[in-house]
Amino acid sequence: GQQLNQSPQSMFIQEGEDVSMNCTSSSIFNTWLWYKQDPGEGPVLLIALYKAGELTSNGRLTAQFGITRKDSFLNISASIPSDVGIYFCAGTSYGNKLVFGAGTILRVKS
Amino acid sequence: EAGVAQSPRYKIIEKRQSVAFWCNPISGHATLYWYQQILGQGPKLLIQFQNNGVVDDSQLPKDRFSAERLKGVDSTLKIQPAKLEDSAVYLCASSLSYSRQETQYFGPGTRLLVL
Repeated sequence: GQQLNQSPQSMFIQEGEDVSMNCTSSSIFNTWLWYKQDPGEGPVLLIALYKAGELTSNGRLTAQFGITRKDSFLNISASIPSDVGIYFCAGTSYGNKLVFGAGTILRVKS
Repeated sequence: EAGVAQSPRYKIIEKRQSVAFWCNPISGHATLYWYQQILGQGPKLLIQFQNNGVVDDSQLPKDRFSAERLKGVDSTLKIQPAKLEDSAVYLCASSLSYSRQETQYFGPGTRLLVL
């Protein structure tokens, strides 16, 4: 089945630093999504990308749909303590089910 | 607007016992999903309903898992009998339609521990 490789697995950064994480696939996706999951909660959609090359921002978050349609990137600028959590990439391919990566655990040192 | 509701929030059972989870999706959402999230992994789709019909249950272990959405609103997911490897968070999600899978809204999940 389709798999998404997400990296890094975890990050421990200083408050105020910028953060980058990415997701790659061996197959083409037509939608890329980024979710955040806080402890004890379900994932919450942060950004949705629909076209190759698309760059979309949501506050301090910016995500890009890779040109090859096999990857996506999420950047968080000027991280703050509430950015702590697990970030998941996910994608769909021509109506197939939503496939999730394994997540990137973000820890911020205040 | 009320979100996706799930109950119970936590459940501890012994292996070989049965357990059931309940989900109430966002009002008006035709599509309902059940996911299994094992610790350290992303959610994995178990079953997807469009109204009260099953769209995809290819990853549902049908020898022990069952799910229903009889009136096209609430849904229940059952495990009988449970195994140790079923310990996970079971997430319910809903979306307006099958074609809008990217706009899924997730509930808080039910955390299951099988001893």
